Amino acid sequence: QSALTQPASVSGSPGQSITISCTGTSSDVGSYNLVSWYQHHPGKAPKFMIYEGTERPSGVSNRFSGSKSGNTASLTISGLQAEDEADYYCCSYAGRSTWVFGGGTKLTVL
Amino acid sequence: EVQLVESGGGLVQPGGSLRLSCAASGFTFNNYAMSWVRQAPGKGLEWVSGISGSGGSTFYADRVKGRFTISRDNSKNTLYLQMNSLRAEDTAVYYCAKARGGIVGSTPGDYWGQGTLVTVSS
Repeated sequence: QSALTQPASVSGSPGQSITISCTGTSSDVGSYNLVSWYQHHPGKAPKFMIYEGTERPSGVSNRFSGSKSGNTASLTISGLQAEDEADYYCCSYAGRSTWVFGGGTKLTVL
Repeated sequence: EVQLVESGGGLVQPGGSLRLSCAASGFTFNNYAMSWVRQAPGKGLEWVSGISGSGGSTFYADRVKGRFTISRDNSKNTLYLQMNSLRAEDTAVYYCAKARGGIVGSTPGDYWGQGTLVTVSS
């Protein structure tokens, strides 16, 4: 149950696009189409952004999109806005009804 | 509106015990699996434990297996986490999180509580 690997930080200017990667193994990300992404503003409850790799829950902006290739999943945010500045976490099913999160990525909007 | 409200956190000595609760409202509680997820100071999120909607199936991360017990009372719409043999490394904000479906294999965290802080220190 090792944590998924995410970059510690990414940054971008308003209006730009950024991509956050999430690398796992063939035992988690690579084996299941069950990667989800969460936005977390410190001190608040995390927010559900993407599920099953590419699906957006109702109410989430279409500026957020997910993808997966092999053992790596990605979250892309287009048209960056100041309010997107937050920590982002990926999560994958790891088999035997267990889940594993990534270490988190701090997004800074310049 | 879905609401999840955790309680029961606090300061406890190493080796001690604590029971967390999560009061749920705004959805049919027994239809959905629930999880506990924690965040240690300065660290990322960590899945701790999950329980099916019926309560019949429970699962744990290796780091807490044998020390923590997840349970639920569907008549009270409440989720619990009994934490025994606590260690300094268990210090974290503990969140309860609702799953998208009734089994623990359903994606966790479509709704989260605000969290409750557990500090293990002498």
